[in-house]
Amino acid sequence: QKEVEQNSGPLSVPEGAIASLNCTYSDRGSQSFFWYRQYSGKSPELIMFIYSNGDKEDGRFTAQLNKASQYVSLLIRDSQPSDSATYLCAVHNAGNMLTFGGGTRLMVKP
Amino acid sequence: DAGVIQSPRHEVTEMGQEVTLRCKPISGHNSLFWYRQTMMRGLELLIYFNNNVPIDDSGMPEDRFSAKMPNASFSTLKIQPSEPRDSAVYFCASSFYTAGVTEAFFGQGTRLTVV
Repeated sequence: QKEVEQNSGPLSVPEGAIASLNCTYSDRGSQSFFWYRQYSGKSPELIMFIYSNGDKEDGRFTAQLNKASQYVSLLIRDSQPSDSATYLCAVHNAGNMLTFGGGTRLMVKP
Repeated sequence: DAGVIQSPRHEVTEMGQEVTLRCKPISGHNSLFWYRQTMMRGLELLIYFNNNVPIDDSGMPEDRFSAKMPNASFSTLKIQPSEPRDSAVYFCASSFYTAGVTEAFFGQGTRLTVV
């Protein structure tokens, strides 16, 4: 079992809809959690991070964390075709190891 | 700051040759990560350094791979000898690690092709 699991997708949503991306992790000692976006042929870029249970909002993006369930999610409101990319969940532990999931490919259709 | 700088951007080499990938982290960052990305295996952590010291190299696939960080502004990843299955995109990322949160920033990557 991989330490960080994501559905590979593709997840297809119509423009303007809410896209929901999910991630589970195995290490209960994990401290902080990150969402990265990666366009084809480009490097991952940080969207946002969260380290407390609950929701964290940044513009159209909301990260949700449930440490008891070892679950992290990213909601993208008002999805745009430019949001089409692979979204990577990353988990950081106390030893400063940053481990990534396999990524979910999101397709936003006009 | 120019961000994390990797070189070369592309490398094509013959099987058996030595390959050296280079990384300059963001100034002031104290952690550096080397990742390999393939379609099949995704983004794999190879090794990471804190304050120039290698902390965990359990992701290094085999002895053909080695990494060094002689100072805070430079790191190398060497493959010797290279094999076709090493073909991948290699990313370097750096961060300032403090109080349990580390925001890692990636370089543009080196696309390695071993023929």
